Amino acid sequence: GEDVEQSLFLSVREGDSSVINCTYTDSSSTYLYWYKQEPGAGLQLLTYIFSNMDMKQDQRLTVLLNKKDKHLSLRIADTQTGDSAIYFCAEIPNQAGTALIFGKGTTLSVSS
Amino acid sequence: GAVVSQHPSWVICKSGTSVKIECRSLDFQATTMFWYRQFPKQSLMLMATSNEGSKATYEQGVEKDKFLINHASLTLSTLTVTSAHPEDSSFYICSATKGDQYFGPGTRLLVL
Repeated sequence: GEDVEQSLFLSVREGDSSVINCTYTDSSSTYLYWYKQEPGAGLQLLTYIFSNMDMKQDQRLTVLLNKKDKHLSLRIADTQTGDSAIYFCAEIPNQAGTALIFGKGTTLSVSS
Repeated sequence: GAVVSQHPSWVICKSGTSVKIECRSLDFQATTMFWYRQFPKQSLMLMATSNEGSKATYEQGVEKDKFLINHASLTLSTLTVTSAHPEDSSFYICSATKGDQYFGPGTRLLVL
């Protein structure tokens, strides 16, 4: 079955870079996503990467995909206190339009 | 574009009553909507897949008679928690697909 694993907590200082890691098991995953959830709120799509890409950069966000190791990471440069949230890694096992499978989420705490 | 709303944002009800949660895609049509449930400090778990004009497909372990889903139009899906009990207290999030999945802000349900 499909499974997505993430570390549960990450604590960084403001201005540092944050790296959130994720591993998944389904090698047929086509898209991999990063979502952000602020307290009491729904999910906000941050970025996604297609499985034939190795890297995607979007402003302060960099996504790295190692398909061989089924490892996905999200790097946030110059982390700000407003980045404090839970970050979910998610995969779509086959094609777009099907449900996402989520990791348990990584709580990012940014101290000033 | 691609905004999804949910109503209500939070609700408190007595045990035994029924609660209806609406999920709307505001600026696009969504043939498929998903309903997720999130318990505190846990990941989102898919409850059911809702396709416009047809019966919802429920995940294993989700009681279809307890969680009634209606997807009457391309912009509206409803989840009704019937005869709610305290263990149904949770954060319910819907999503609608337009290529990617776009999530509603969630509905927090507290059953007393």
